[in-house]
Amino acid sequence: DAGVIQSPRHEVTEMGQEVTLRCKPISGHDYLFWYRQTMMRGLELLIYFNNNVPIDDSGMPEDRFSAKMPNASFSTLKIQPSEPRDSAVYFCASSWGTYTEAFFGQGTRLTVV
Amino acid sequence: GNSVTQMEGPVTLSEEAFLTINCTYTATGYPSLFWYVQYPGEGLQLLLKATKADDKGSNKGFEATYRKETTSFHLEKGSVQVSDSAVYFCALKENNDMRFGAGTRLTVKP
Repeated sequence: DAGVIQSPRHEVTEMGQEVTLRCKPISGHDYLFWYRQTMMRGLELLIYFNNNVPIDDSGMPEDRFSAKMPNASFSTLKIQPSEPRDSAVYFCASSWGTYTEAFFGQGTRLTVV
Repeated sequence: GNSVTQMEGPVTLSEEAFLTINCTYTATGYPSLFWYVQYPGEGLQLLLKATKADDKGSNKGFEATYRKETTSFHLEKGSVQVSDSAVYFCALKENNDMRFGAGTRLTVKP
């Protein structure tokens, strides 16, 4: 398996534009996590899914952020409209079962100017 | 709620020095514990893990023991190398909720 695949690796966009980040989890994994990493706040859990269903979205910063998982092999994180303070590295991770480790993608570095 | 606290960095060591990065956790039950490593420009990679009390995780010369009595999972390595320079994250997972510490940046100088 190629691991968790995220796209794009880098995204630069203007304030107010819509941004969509994509993630393909490892085949067979039933959990998918979205994290945001910044220098100031470290690694924050935004939302996670179990069997394609959102379980906990309490970490989503505000209504401008939304996440979907239409099937077991694909998830998106959308920011609309984007703001400069959304600039960060966004990681997707997947895992199997309740207590096993999460496998991370390479991340998407988002810059909003 | 669950949380992880790890020692603040940055940590700077000379090659072949002994490394300890402290990690303590708060959890309502019996979580699994992990150490992840992040190299520049990359995602987090699992370094080692322990799933129950007194388990010792080990990999690449790194070790950590799950201590339930002190709620700790300290990372150790007897002799660090320049290639160990990275950011290290302690993490716990319980009931599908995975939480990370703030990360500790390690720099090893030749």
